[in-house]
Amino acid sequence: DGGITQSPKYLFRKEGQNVTLSCEQNLNHDAMYWYRQDPGQGLRLIYYSQIVNDFQKGDIAEGYSVSREKKESFPLTVTSAQKNPTAFYLCASSANRGGNQPQHFGDGTRLSIL
Amino acid sequence: SQQGEEDPQALSIQEGENATMNCSYKTSINNLQWYRQNSGRGLVHLILIRSNEREKHSGRLRVTLDTSKKSSSLLITASRAADTASYFCATDAGSNYKLTFGKGTLLTVNP
Repeated sequence: DGGITQSPKYLFRKEGQNVTLSCEQNLNHDAMYWYRQDPGQGLRLIYYSQIVNDFQKGDIAEGYSVSREKKESFPLTVTSAQKNPTAFYLCASSANRGGNQPQHFGDGTRLSIL
Repeated sequence: SQQGEEDPQALSIQEGENATMNCSYKTSINNLQWYRQNSGRGLVHLILIRSNEREKHSGRLRVTLDTSKKSSSLLITASRAADTASYFCATDAGSNYKLTFGKGTLLTVNP
C-alpha cells in the first residue's frame, strides 16, 4: 500500500537534546511538508520541500531543521533551540507543490519533554 | 493568522442526522480543501473545490463554495458514529505552495 510512514509514534526529548523525526513516503510525490499541531489548533507549516535537495522555511521554522537527500525521505530535527517543542508533528506529501493538490498525511509523532 | 476559520468549534448530533460545518476565509483563493482527522491520527483529504466551482459531492459529503462571501460549507448527510472526527478547511490563498488550515470543527455523532 502506498502511503506515508512517520516514526516514532511517541518521542521524548531531554533538555538540550536534538531529536529527529522520520518521514518516508512511497507515493512518488515530489513535494513534502512538515506541520506542527497544538491542542485545539490547526496545522502550522514548519518546512516544505518541492524537490530533492531543496527546501523552504514555513511559518514557524525557528528551532527546526530538515534535509531532503532522497525523494522518499524528509526527516525533521527538533533542535535544542526550540524551547516549546511539545506538540503533535505531522508529515505530508503531494504530487507536486501547490494548493490545487490534495495532501497525504502520515499518522504523526507526538513529542514531549522529559 | 489563520486564513480559514471553521464554525462551529464543536458540534454534537445523533446518528442519522445531517451535520453542517462552515469555513470562512479572508483573502481570495484558488482552491479550498476539506480534511478529516480522527483523534490521534493524521489528516485525510475529503474534497477539493476550485474557486470557479459552486458545489461538489462525494458520497454523503456535499461542499459548497461562495467566493462572494468568502465562505464554504461541508454537509455530511445521514451521519454515522464513524464520522466522529475533527474537520478542517484549508485554503491556498494564491500562495502557490502551501495550504493554510483553520482550527477545525470537532464533530461528535452519538449512536
